[in-house]
Amino acid sequence: EDQVTQSPEALRLQEGESSSLNCSYTVSGLRGLFWYRQDPGKGPEFLFTLYSAGEEKEKERLKATLTKKESFLHITAPKPEDSATYLCAAHNNAGNMLTFGGGTRLMVKP
Amino acid sequence: DVKVTQSSRYLVKRTGEKVFLECVQDMDHENMFWYRQDPGLGLRLIYFSYDVKMKEKGDIPEGYSVSREKKERFSLILESASTNQTSMYLCASSFIYEQYFGPGTRLTVT
Repeated sequence: EDQVTQSPEALRLQEGESSSLNCSYTVSGLRGLFWYRQDPGKGPEFLFTLYSAGEEKEKERLKATLTKKESFLHITAPKPEDSATYLCAAHNNAGNMLTFGGGTRLMVKP
Repeated sequence: DVKVTQSSRYLVKRTGEKVFLECVQDMDHENMFWYRQDPGLGLRLIYFSYDVKMKEKGDIPEGYSVSREKKERFSLILESASTNQTSMYLCASSFIYEQYFGPGTRLTVT
């Protein structure tokens, strides 16, 4: 059975304090690894897709990387507006469904 | 930009009522999904559809049904609402792998 685990569950950072969020996955035939940002009371907002080990994607202060077992979302010099829950999800080689992790709730204090 | 809209942001219904949640996407996507999101349980797939009039059960279909009469519209139906169906309901659509989410409907059943 496919499994996606995110750690930590919650992360508090000071503004400017860089860190990484982890997403470990066990998926039969990974077709894509996805990162989303979700603000309270809203739907997840798509951030990145990673397709193969070694791939990296960047957007502003965020960089996502992928290995054969895990993905990292690196946040460089975060700002309070980066506070949100970050979700990762994996797509296997069968069917149309994503397996989601439980999310990491990020709080950035000024 | 992909646009997924949901008919209501907030909804309050009484136990036993029939409830319709509507979702519309404007990107001609083949696949559409309904999830519910609860604290500590993450995102759980209720139903998805990969074509007009086609549907498949997700992880938690009990108490729900769906309808897809047109490609752009996917409806979630609660036949007889119960208090344990109080939740955030999220609709998503995709062409192949990347899912794009709507803003969510916060449903309260009293």
